[in-house]
Amino acid sequence: QQQVKQSPQSLIVQKGGISIINCAYENTAFDYFPWYQQFPGKGPALLIAIRPDVSEKKEGRFTISFNKSAKQFSLHIMDSQPGDSATYFCAAISGGYNKLIFGAGTRLAVHP
Amino acid sequence: NAGVTQTPKFRILKIGQSMTLQCTQDMNHNYMYWYRQDPGMGLKLIYYSVGAGITDKGEVPNGYNVSRSTTEDFPLRLELAAPSQTSVYFCASNPGGGRNTEAFFGQGTRLTVV
Repeated sequence: QQQVKQSPQSLIVQKGGISIINCAYENTAFDYFPWYQQFPGKGPALLIAIRPDVSEKKEGRFTISFNKSAKQFSLHIMDSQPGDSATYFCAAISGGYNKLIFGAGTRLAVHP
Repeated sequence: NAGVTQTPKFRILKIGQSMTLQCTQDMNHNYMYWYRQDPGMGLKLIYYSVGAGITDKGEVPNGYNVSRSTTEDFPLRLELAAPSQTSVYFCASNPGGGRNTEAFFGQGTRLTVV
């Protein structure tokens, strides 16, 4: 069973639009929530991350919104660009040793 | 600065064969990990290591073995390859010492077992 549930599986957005990817979790022991971006043929790379004591974090066009009571968090990509086309994974860390628990991934395609 | 390097990039194995996936990092990171990525499933943790000589099982360890004799290297061994081990394998490292530390991934090894 997926400890971090991610939706949608795939997303098509027009250039300049907003891309929204949602994740939900059950384990309240999770205490760090990173998002990873993966281009075809490459390994995932850290995009942005948030701690559960913060409700929002913004870095450029990328924003994480975090709702601790609902155990949900989401990634918003503003002014989406074709270069943002990639697979996005939400993840969570709990316990020691920074082990990542990944969502199933969202394949984003931004059309020009 | 090479980061995390995995070899080979691609491999085809026959059922029952063995192989070792190599992973090395040059960032002097304490923590290293092996994940497998299957379509629609995200990445699953196979094994991890928090330092030379220390390894532990992750979520999906069956059919795999690891060793960590040096800080730099963390090879993954498949002893009797099975079709269920067809996947893309990623090695990652993390400096350790706190939650807010970034994991760095290699470029992956695409393995097909036929």
